[in-house]
Amino acid sequence: ETGVTQSPTHLIKTRGQQVTLRCSSQSGHNTVSWYQQALGQGPQFIFQYYREEENGRGNFPPRFSGLQFPNYSSELNVNALELDDSALYLCASSFYRGYEQYFGPGTRLTVT
Amino acid sequence: QQQVKQSPQSLIVQKGGISIINCAYENTAFDYFPWYQQFPGKGPALLIAIRPDVSEKKEGRFTISFNKSAKQFSLHIMDSQPGDSATYFCAASKWNGQNFVFGPGTRLSVLP
Repeated sequence: ETGVTQSPTHLIKTRGQQVTLRCSSQSGHNTVSWYQQALGQGPQFIFQYYREEENGRGNFPPRFSGLQFPNYSSELNVNALELDDSALYLCASSFYRGYEQYFGPGTRLTVT
Repeated sequence: QQQVKQSPQSLIVQKGGISIINCAYENTAFDYFPWYQQFPGKGPALLIAIRPDVSEKKEGRFTISFNKSAKQFSLHIMDSQPGDSATYFCAASKWNGQNFVFGPGTRLSVLP
């Protein structure tokens, strides 16, 4: 069974740029959720995708957007990067829109 | 109403001791309460979870106690080991898995 994978591991961007982060869900899982984790804080829910549609969204502006593909992998896109977007971005997958979410290792984004 | 409070912020325990972390929630619509363990540079790992139809769940050295009327739940780690040193997050979610809300985390250090 393959776990959740994310790419890239680290990323450095300049304020105002755009970034795309990628996630491959665990085998058999069709739901992907994205989280932002600032240093020293708990993860904050960004949004969830189920069967290629957004299925819930946290308190994040529209410049945070996502996609889910037919193979259930997912992308997180962030436009017009701000310094406060610097964080660890976590992807979690689950079977159906269920409870047990399994997290990937995250992508560390630094905005300068 | 979406907030999950967690205490203590940090905890130091001797090897073999009991570690206790407490969480409280407001939203009575939450019906799934997991605990996650996170090591530095890694994504959170699901440790144990409970639903409000039971008051206690035990898996190995880890026990969740749940008090529905008080809207509180806690994690007990028995026979704490240095390898348990990590940050622990409680979380809460509705039945459909949307809007996972995490607590701010507890940094546990187990001294040898």
